[in-house]
Amino acid sequence: GIQVEQSPPDLILQEGANSTLRCNFSDSVNNLQWFHQNPWGQLINLFYIPSGTKQNGRLSATTVATERYSLLYISSSQTTDSGVYFCAVDPYTGANSKLTFGKGITLSVRP
Amino acid sequence: DAGITQSPRHKVTETGTPVTLRCHQTENHRYMYWYRQDPGHGLRLIHYSYGVKDTDKGEVSDGYSVSRSKTEDFLLTLESATSSQTSVYFCAISSSDRGDYGYTFGSGTRLTVV
Repeated sequence: GIQVEQSPPDLILQEGANSTLRCNFSDSVNNLQWFHQNPWGQLINLFYIPSGTKQNGRLSATTVATERYSLLYISSSQTTDSGVYFCAVDPYTGANSKLTFGKGITLSVRP
Repeated sequence: DAGITQSPRHKVTETGTPVTLRCHQTENHRYMYWYRQDPGHGLRLIHYSYGVKDTDKGEVSDGYSVSRSKTEDFLLTLESATSSQTSVYFCAISSSDRGDYGYTFGSGTRLTVV
């Protein structure tokens, strides 16, 4: 099956700093999503981004499907950004997609 | 809000006992999924459903069964719980309501098998 590698595995930032989280995948995808798991365990969908660039406030994401990677940018980080960030992919699109998850990137933002 | 509720939120059970986890959704979504989350593994797909009585196996289905007799409920059963099934279990739905096929997750069930 498709492999998903996320880097770095852990990241510590000072509040206000910017960061880039990377997701590499081993095969072509038509569905790619980024999630944030907060310290209470809740998984929040950040982006559905099989290709191109999207922005939502301080967060933006870019997927270069031809080169098999996606990047999540966090600007002016806040302590509430702490948690685990997951990238998940599927070669197929549609509401019946079955996502394969990476192991996650643990982000800690210090005040 | 996709209105997904998982129950129970926490459970401790003994090895060898059957356990059923429930995922309930209120918005008539067709596609539902069960994942487990373990340290170092991310989330892994256990079973999924494309509709009432239409289910199939995921990556880590051994020791689990599912049922979907109503659109709103997707049940995950551990037939005879083992310590390796201690995990956090998440239910998800997929829909095109947002204009894409983004997943929405429930709050999870933390299961401990002793």
